[in-house]
Amino acid sequence: GIQVEQSPPDLILQEGANSTLRCNFSDSVNNLQWFHQNPWGQLINLFYIPSGTKQNGRLSATTVATERYSLLYISSSQTTDSGVYFCACRQGSYIPTFGRGTSLIVHP
Amino acid sequence: DAGITQSPRHKVTETGTPVTLRCHQTENHRYMYWYRQDPGHGLRLIHYSYGVKDTDKGEVSDGYSVSRSKTEDFLLTLESATSSQTSVYFCAISEGLTGRGVVYEQYFGPGTRLTVT
Repeated sequence: GIQVEQSPPDLILQEGANSTLRCNFSDSVNNLQWFHQNPWGQLINLFYIPSGTKQNGRLSATTVATERYSLLYISSSQTTDSGVYFCACRQGSYIPTFGRGTSLIVHP
Repeated sequence: DAGITQSPRHKVTETGTPVTLRCHQTENHRYMYWYRQDPGHGLRLIHYSYGVKDTDKGEVSDGYSVSRSKTEDFLLTLESATSSQTSVYFCAISEGLTGRGVVYEQYFGPGTRLTVT
């Protein structure tokens, strides 16, 4: 099956800093999502982005399907951005493959 | 966010006891999933359903069974709970028809924290 790798595994920032999280996948996908798991454990949808670029406030995401990667940009980070960010990819079937996640800590 | 509820939200049970977790959706999504999340393992798929009475195994299905008798409900049963099944369990849904057409995004419920002593 498809392999999904996320980097970096851990990230520590000061409030106000920008960051880029990366998701590499081993084969073509027809579905890619980014999720944020907050410190209370809730999994929140950020983006559904099998290709192209989307923006939502301080967050944006770009997927380059032909090169098999997706990037999540966080600008002007806030303490509420802390948590784990997951990338999930699907390849034809309805069973997504999740990456191991990037753990982000934003210090005030 | 999608209307997904899980019950109970927290449960402590003893080894050998049967346990059933319930996932309920109000979104009429076709697919439903059960995951467990443990430190160092990320999200692992237990079972999934692609319609009423249609289910299949995921990567960590041993010790678990599921049932889906209605579109809106997906039950996960631990026939005889073991300490290794202490975990946080998430339900998810995907593929539903909304006002903006068919949506393929996956949405997660709030999770159930299960402790087996």
